[in-house]
Amino acid sequence: RKEVEQDPGPFNVPEGATVAFNCTYSNSASQSFFWYRQDCRKEPKLLMSVYSSGNEDGRFTAQLNRASQYISLLIRDSKLSDSATYLCVVPPSGGSYIPTFGRGTSLIVHP
Amino acid sequence: NAGVTQTPKFQVLKTGQSMTLQCAQDMNHNSMYWYRQDPGMGLRLIYYSASEGTTDKGEVPNGYNVSRLNKREFSLRLESAAPSQTSVYFCASSVLAESYEQYFGPGTRLTVT
Repeated sequence: RKEVEQDPGPFNVPEGATVAFNCTYSNSASQSFFWYRQDCRKEPKLLMSVYSSGNEDGRFTAQLNRASQYISLLIRDSKLSDSATYLCVVPPSGGSYIPTFGRGTSLIVHP
Repeated sequence: NAGVTQTPKFQVLKTGQSMTLQCAQDMNHNSMYWYRQDPGMGLRLIYYSASEGTTDKGEVPNGYNVSRLNKREFSLRLESAAPSQTSVYFCASSVLAESYEQYFGPGTRLTVT
């Protein structure tokens, strides 16, 4: 299994829809995870961190399923401005400082 | 507070030419990173500096060198550019190397012909 896998999409949803993405990881020792957002031709920006208890920030909810080794990002009431690529990041374990970025899931929100 | 800045924004090189990409952060972060991003690939770490005075190889260091000039600045050098180094290069910083809450610069789009 690859270290981090994401469905590249695109996920094409209407405004107001609820959409969820998953990110599977192989390193069972990882304790924390991150979601970044990347707009077209821009730099990635940190969206949320994900720990065992999950995280919620407004319309965004991130969850961790440690047993099945995936993290999820749920976006409620999608806005046009949510259109972007969402990257998950899995930190390393064992003393390395090299994180693994997923290839990203593309979201397109249309009117 | 500019965050992370990078220069240049765009660059075209011929094979064999050299250049240095500059990065600076004004957030007093200890750790800095250089990534490359290619179509269909995730971000890949080239080199990082966990703290001022240290640098370490990432996943794809071949063909690159780095210098942590001071706490603010971290440069990436291509000594002899190759077409395979055509990519978008991002610099990032974080408070500590153990924190993966990283702040990215706007990127440098490099084309090697």
